[in-house]
Amino acid sequence: GAVVSQHPSRVICKSGTSVKIECRSLDFQATTMFWYRQFPKKSLMLMATSNEGSKATYEQGVEKDKFLINHASLTLSTLTVTSAHPEDSSFYICSAKSERGTYEQYFGPGTRLTVT
Amino acid sequence: AQSVAQPEDQVNVAEGNPLTVKCTYSVSGNPYLFWYVQYPNRGLQFLLKYITGDNLVKGSYGFEAEFNKSQTSFHLKKPSALVSDSALYFCAVRDGWGFQKLVFGTGTRLLVSP
Repeated sequence: GAVVSQHPSRVICKSGTSVKIECRSLDFQATTMFWYRQFPKKSLMLMATSNEGSKATYEQGVEKDKFLINHASLTLSTLTVTSAHPEDSSFYICSAKSERGTYEQYFGPGTRLTVT
Repeated sequence: AQSVAQPEDQVNVAEGNPLTVKCTYSVSGNPYLFWYVQYPNRGLQFLLKYITGDNLVKGSYGFEAEFNKSQTSFHLKKPSALVSDSALYFCAVRDGWGFQKLVFGTGTRLLVSP
């Protein structure tokens, strides 16, 4: 099956610093990737849709200057949390849509971000 | 806008008993529905989907879901629960054409006791 990886799996950073999270589709090409945020005991909130070679589409209420998304290749999308604050601490999950047109998204294992 | 509702925060079932995790949907047009499972500190794993065709959809790990148009439901079922099935289950619906976003329910925690 399709595999999506995320790196790092856990990261702790100090308030005010930036942190980059990578999302890779390992065995398929993904022109579209998605970034979600999950709060404890809550559902996934879609943050943005990342399209290879173009600007990401952000959901309402998500600050695009704070959550920078780059989708430079068909297998890699990155999310950079800039000037992180404790309220940005969360579980970030990416997913990728297979170009085989099977409709399902394949999810990465998630990244636990803790801002101190 | 498309939406799904999972009315139960938690479902408790004894191992070996059948389980049902409920999901209802609200869509305009044909629904594309999905079930995903999440284990602690992990991403979501795809279980099954309904696009068209048979109302009973079979998926991974022995799970199945029944699409009921009249009741706008897509309940997840398994005939005999395992302790290892304990996890967080999400129902989702495709939002928009050309496949893009998924809209997730709030999740239901399944706890299977030995």
